[in-house]
Amino acid sequence: KAGVTQTPRYLIKTRGQQVTLSCSPISGHRSVSWYQQTPGQGLQFLFEYFSETQRNKGNFPGRFSGRQFSNSRSEMNVSTLELGDSALYLCASSSNPGLALYEQFFGPGTRLTVL
Amino acid sequence: SQKIEQNSEALNIQEGKTATLTCNYTNYSPAYLQWYRQDPGRGPVFLLLIRENEKEKRKERLKVTFDTTLKQSLFHITASQPADSATYLCALVPADRGSTLGRLYFGRGTQLTVWP
Repeated sequence: KAGVTQTPRYLIKTRGQQVTLSCSPISGHRSVSWYQQTPGQGLQFLFEYFSETQRNKGNFPGRFSGRQFSNSRSEMNVSTLELGDSALYLCASSSNPGLALYEQFFGPGTRLTVL
Repeated sequence: SQKIEQNSEALNIQEGKTATLTCNYTNYSPAYLQWYRQDPGRGPVFLLLIRENEKEKRKERLKVTFDTTLKQSLFHITASQPADSATYLCALVPADRGSTLGRLYFGRGTQLTVWP
């Protein structure tokens, strides 16, 4: 099976702009979680989607949003970018966290730089 | 608040020795604890999972222990090799899954360097 893919891999934006990141989970996986990783904070949970529904959300401002499509692909959007949004954004898929053992399969991430 | 601490940011050991990484947690009642490996520029890769009612788990040169009394997990790499150099992350899956679906609580990781 192909792994989790994320596009784009690298992105440079300026403050105030918005950005959309994409994630394609492993075939058959219906749960997609998003994390932000920075050197100072480590991996911080953003949100999780399952069958097109957001089931869980971390402590991030409303500028961070996401959605999931019927084919389980997911996008996250960050509006009004700030310098502090510079980070590696990771997407992870799982077959069904409610039943399985929560093993998450991570993509390579999107490196976002905000200037 | 929930807190997961990994004993040090960096650990340097000589090839052939055993690397021991520590993960301590507070304010959790974990159902599972997982360990991941992350290489620079890549996403974390799952290594091992241990349940709350298990004391120890092994996989090849890897061993994980879980002490719910001490609220601690130890991760061991025996006969370490330079290829084991990476950042190792511990992650908790809380027992209260209803409020934490799809979410792992990560430590900030320990960067392991194995030198020849």
